Amino acid sequence: GAVVSQHPSWVICKSGTSVKIECRSLDFQATTMFWYRQFPKQSLMLMATSNEGSKATYEQGVEKDKFLINHASLTLSTLTVTSAHPEDSSFYICSARGGAPETQYFGPGTRLLVL
Amino acid sequence: KQEVTQIPAALSVPEGENLVLNCSFTDSAIYNLQWFRQDPGKGLTSLLLIQSSQREQTSGRLNASLDKSSGRSTLYIAASQPGDSATYLCAVKGTGANNLFFGTGTRLTVIP
Repeated sequence: GAVVSQHPSWVICKSGTSVKIECRSLDFQATTMFWYRQFPKQSLMLMATSNEGSKATYEQGVEKDKFLINHASLTLSTLTVTSAHPEDSSFYICSARGGAPETQYFGPGTRLLVL
Repeated sequence: KQEVTQIPAALSVPEGENLVLNCSFTDSAIYNLQWFRQDPGKGLTSLLLIQSSQREQTSGRLNASLDKSSGRSTLYIAASQPGDSATYLCAVKGTGANNLFFGTGTRLTVIP
């Protein structure tokens, strides 16, 4: 089946630094990519939706200047957490939609810990 | 806005038991409903996808049903095994929505 990869799988950084997370669809072209955040023992919350070559659509309450999303190609999307703070520590999961029939596939997640 | 709820939040059963997980959603105008499994610290594994026109889907020991009019879905797991221990999430895609709305999850523990 289709595979979505994320890199890195986990990252620890100091407060104030920026962190970039990559999401790749490995064997299909993703027309749409989604970024979710999951806090401990909670469900996935959609942060933003992006289509290749266009600006991302952010959910209410998600700061677009803090969570920069770039969907440069049909197989790659990046999420940059700018000036990360401890409250940004979370599990970030990307998802890519594509293939035939069109299906949404999920990446393995990236755990971010901001000290 | 679509709201998805799962009951119970946590469930412990002895190995071999059959069990049912419940999912309810507030807006019946859905495109499809999907059940996922999530192991601790891991991403999501899709288990079953039910289109809005379907009533149920089966895969091995898993059976998912959908009653769109009442806004409910159930995931039935037969002859549970310790390896089934995980969090189970249901998610719905609305007819006019681009994304999935996730439930709160049920954390299942199967005791050997």
